[in-house]
Formats: sequence, C-alpha cells, structure tokens
Amino acid sequence: DAKTTQPPSMDCAEGRAANLPCNHSTISGNEYVYWYRQIHSQGPQYIIHGLKNNETNEMASLIITEDRKSSTLILPHATLRDTAVYYCIVRSYSSASKIIFGSGTRLSIRP
Amino acid sequence: GAVVSQHPSWVICKSGTSVKIECRSLDFQATTMFWYRQFPKQSLMLMATSNEGSKATYEQGVEKDKFLINHASLTLSTLTVTSAHPEDSSFYICSARVPQETQYFGPGTRLLVL
Repeated sequence: DAKTTQPPSMDCAEGRAANLPCNHSTISGNEYVYWYRQIHSQGPQYIIHGLKNNETNEMASLIITEDRKSSTLILPHATLRDTAVYYCIVRSYSSASKIIFGSGTRLSIRP
Repeated sequence: GAVVSQHPSWVICKSGTSVKIECRSLDFQATTMFWYRQFPKQSLMLMATSNEGSKATYEQGVEKDKFLINHASLTLSTLTVTSAHPEDSSFYICSARVPQETQYFGPGTRLLVL
C-alpha cells in the first residue's frame, strides 16, 4: 500500500472549516484513500473514504485531486470534540491489504 | 458503521501472569481481524493479522509465542499476552473487516503490568 505524508499538527477555530491535507503521490489505481481519527485514549474512528470522486457524509467531505496524488479532508464546522489525531491512509481491497498508520495530523480546535 | 467491541477495556495484572483480550465484531462477520499496539504519544503499530480458521501472520519483531492470537470464529478473535512484563504495558486495539469493505476498530484495551 502506498505511503502518505501529513503535517504533524494543525489548529482551527471552533465553528470554522478544518482542512486537513494529505499527500499520496505513489498511490496506485486500485487504492482507496481512507481517513480515520483517534480521539485521546480511544480506538480509531472511521471517517470517510474515496477512490477518485469527491465524497461527502455526515461527518466530513473528502476532496481528491484529479491526479489522485493528494487529498483534503474537510470538517465543515469544527467543534471542540473534533480535537483528535487524523490519519490519512491508502489501501487496496486485496485480501493481503493491511492498514499501517503513519504519524497523522494532530488537530487542535481552539474556542 | 459496523461495531467492534473489546473486553476488557482495561486490565491490571502482576508480572508473569497471562492476560487474554477479546475482540468481537458485533453486527458483521469478519473474515480478517488485526491487532495493534500503541505506546504513549506514538502511533498505532500493527502486531498481527488473523484470518478465521488459520494461523495469524505476525509483523516483523513481534514474538508469536508471547502474543498468542486465536481467530476461532467470524466474530471473535483473542489476543493472549503470555507471561506479561511491565514493558508489555500498552494500549491494545483490534480491528475487523470483511473483504472489499472498510476496516473498523475496537475501543481498545489498556494493559498495565505491575
């Protein structure tokens, strides 16, 4: 599975949109972009995933560039509860695929 | 999304004893389950992958005789930390998925070995 690069930390004002970038320049055609987050002392929580089209659900939006080499997770109205480490992961659906976590982005929401 | 549970949520044990952690997929049948470990201020580290009915595949550097994994059914996997020592104290997280689907994580089990 391809590797990803994320900024180590970001902050955002409460109520504003939080935009978290991720680079995955070596992504293959059959690999999906997944986002998870880990709130302190909890297991990772699935947020959203996509292949090449932009995706939106009740939690967030995922914007994937046309060349698929980077993506942005958007939390439209950040709240204090969105403070967490956000992980961008690339994986295929092969049976051998496994999620390897990088360092992620520590997002802090300020009041 | 699908729900994965773990039991216990935390455990304290004496050095030299063995501890078993259960991981269950509550509303789906998981053909593959994963076990991760996380030390303070670090990211999750994959320990092993288990497929129902077969032996687990361990990541490099993980002692298979120390961390026994059993995936006896499509909804249950167990991790047994044998002869636990203080350096095994960590946050253990399981994960489960079905083929072609999203992987979901449990809430984690905090182990403290005294």
